[in-house]
Amino acid sequence: GESVGLHLPTLSVQEGDNSIINCAYSNSASDYFIWYKQESGKGPQFIIDIRSNMDKRQGQRVTVLLNKTVKHLSLQIAATQPGDSAVYFCAENGGNYGQNFVFGPGTRLSVLP
Amino acid sequence: DTAVSQTPKYLVTQMGNDKSIKCEQNLGHDTMYWYKQDSKKFLKIMFSYNNKELIINETVPNRFSPKSPDKAHLNLHINSLELGDSAVYFCASSQDQAGNTIYFGEGSWLTVV
Repeated sequence: GESVGLHLPTLSVQEGDNSIINCAYSNSASDYFIWYKQESGKGPQFIIDIRSNMDKRQGQRVTVLLNKTVKHLSLQIAATQPGDSAVYFCAENGGNYGQNFVFGPGTRLSVLP
Repeated sequence: DTAVSQTPKYLVTQMGNDKSIKCEQNLGHDTMYWYKQDSKKFLKIMFSYNNKELIINETVPNRFSPKSPDKAHLNLHINSLELGDSAVYFCASSQDQAGNTIYFGEGSWLTVV
């Protein structure tokens, strides 16, 4: 299930199931978006990106969907594995080529055996 | 070889001290950043440099002073450390300012006691 509030939102999924992590971005001028994965004790790691002229982009086991109408971004992970357990962040560029990326609050993905 | 490397990884120091965190990238990127991540995992940009020139300076106390001796290095010096400075500091780089992926270092865990 998913929980929100003062703590980091957490999504728990069974190993082998698909995961969907959602992100609402704030700036309608944003035209470049990135999903990052942060494992415990490490820095954020690039997963996949998408530009605003697309609404879907696929990588290896991951798919990013962009809905500009409602300013919503999602990350889908197929056949979730224990190694996918991490905190996931979406980032938007604010339409600013000065690279002032704004990061979302993050979602913790826990993969249950 | 680590693309974005920062040292030290862990730093415990007393209030009032001055400390520095060093960062180097071997990706040939023009743009470098410092981000701060608080205890709730919220990531916020502090500074951005492009070819040794300051581009972004968010609302950060002037006790924090970045220095870029060349485009492959961006060091962060902090004067008169306070308890609230305890956080994880991430160095990052991107090819340039034109909406490209940001690559992060592994982080420096600063604890002020």
